Parts: sequence; C-alpha cells; structure tokens
Amino acid sequence: GNSVTQMEGPVTLSEEAFLTINCTYTATGYPSLFWYVQYPGEGLQLLLKATKADDKGSNKGFEATYRKETTSFHLEKGSVQVSDSAVYFCALMFSGGYNKLIFGAGTRLAVHP
Amino acid sequence: ETGVTQTPRHLVMGMTNKKSLKCEQHLGHNAMYWYKQSAKKPLELMFVYNFKEQTENNSVPSRFSPECPNSSHLFLHLHTLQPEDSALYLCASSPRDRESETQYFGPGTRLLVL
Repeated sequence: GNSVTQMEGPVTLSEEAFLTINCTYTATGYPSLFWYVQYPGEGLQLLLKATKADDKGSNKGFEATYRKETTSFHLEKGSVQVSDSAVYFCALMFSGGYNKLIFGAGTRLAVHP
Repeated sequence: ETGVTQTPRHLVMGMTNKKSLKCEQHLGHNAMYWYKQSAKKPLELMFVYNFKEQTENNSVPSRFSPECPNSSHLFLHLHTLQPEDSALYLCASSPRDRESETQYFGPGTRLLVL
C-alpha cells in the first residue's frame, strides 16, 4: 500500500544549526509530495510541495527535493531559528483520483537559543 | 475573515452527549475534509465532500456523522462517543477533490471525551 515514513523525533537543535528531517515513501505510481508544519496550538500549514521527480520545493528557507530513485523527500534548512520549533509532517497525494493526503507520523523539532 | 475556521476550538463532552463541530472556509473551494489527529497515530482522513456530496468515508464509526449543507460549511455531528475518540479534529478545504491540489487546514477542535 501507500505510506510515508518519517524519522522519529524529537529533533533538538541549537539556533543556526543545519536541519535534516528524513522522509521516505512507498507508493504505486508517482505521487505529489508535501511538507506541512504544525505550530503549537494551530492547524497544519503547507510548507512546500513537489509534484514530479527532481522537483525542488522551497519556502521560508526550507527545501526538499523529490527523489524518485530513493523514494525520498527529505526536508532541509541551513540555519534554523527558535521560531521553527514545530511538528513537521511529510505527506503524499495521488493526482487523478481522490485528493487524499497520506501523512507520516510527524517529527517534532525543538530549537533552543 | 479569511482561510478555514473551526468552532469550537476546545470541547469537553460526556459519552452520552450530542455535540457538533463546525468548519467554515472563506476560500471559494469546493472540496472539504475532516481529519482526526490522535496522540499516537498519524493524521487520519475521515470524510471528503466535493460540491456538497460525500466522496469518501474512511470506515468511520457511525457515531460520527458529517453534514455539508453547502461548499463553504462542514459539520461533524458527534453522539455516544468513546474516550478513545478524544483527539484534535481538523477540517481542510481545497479547490476540488480529484486533483493533487493543496489542502488548507483550519486550527482544529480539541475534543476530550470523558
């Protein structure tokens, strides 16, 4: 079946450190891939997305590249800030069918000053 | 008001109560969704509505009853819930339900069933 696997958290970093959150997927076909972020007490916000292989999504200094050969969509940021502390969700969706997002379990990021 | 709003933000109910969650989207979208976010499980899709018609019911127990009177409003009617139904219930919307389009989420209703 279709699924998303994320690295377990929490991930704890100091401000200005480099961030990587791993995400791999299992899918039949070629899904679109998403990263959503959930700040404390809020709903999910789209962070970035990529709809085909080798596409790079980017937003707010975060980047992720759709790697078909490794079925991965790792999230990276060169220099994290305290305000980036949140839970990050990787998700996939298929086009041409129901608009159904399949989420990973989420990775909590805590950034300390 | 813009985006997707949900009320109430917090709800405590007993197992014999009946309550409703409300979601409203101000984005002109035609598809709306209910998700359940439990502490120890990934986000689970519950229901999908497209142009007011239900297009997905992800094997949700009948104690959860959705209603979509128009493309801007979505309700989740709750009755005879169990403590394990305590969770954050998220509403989302997108332009349509049959394309890989971005879904926009509300802030959620945190439900506690006693």
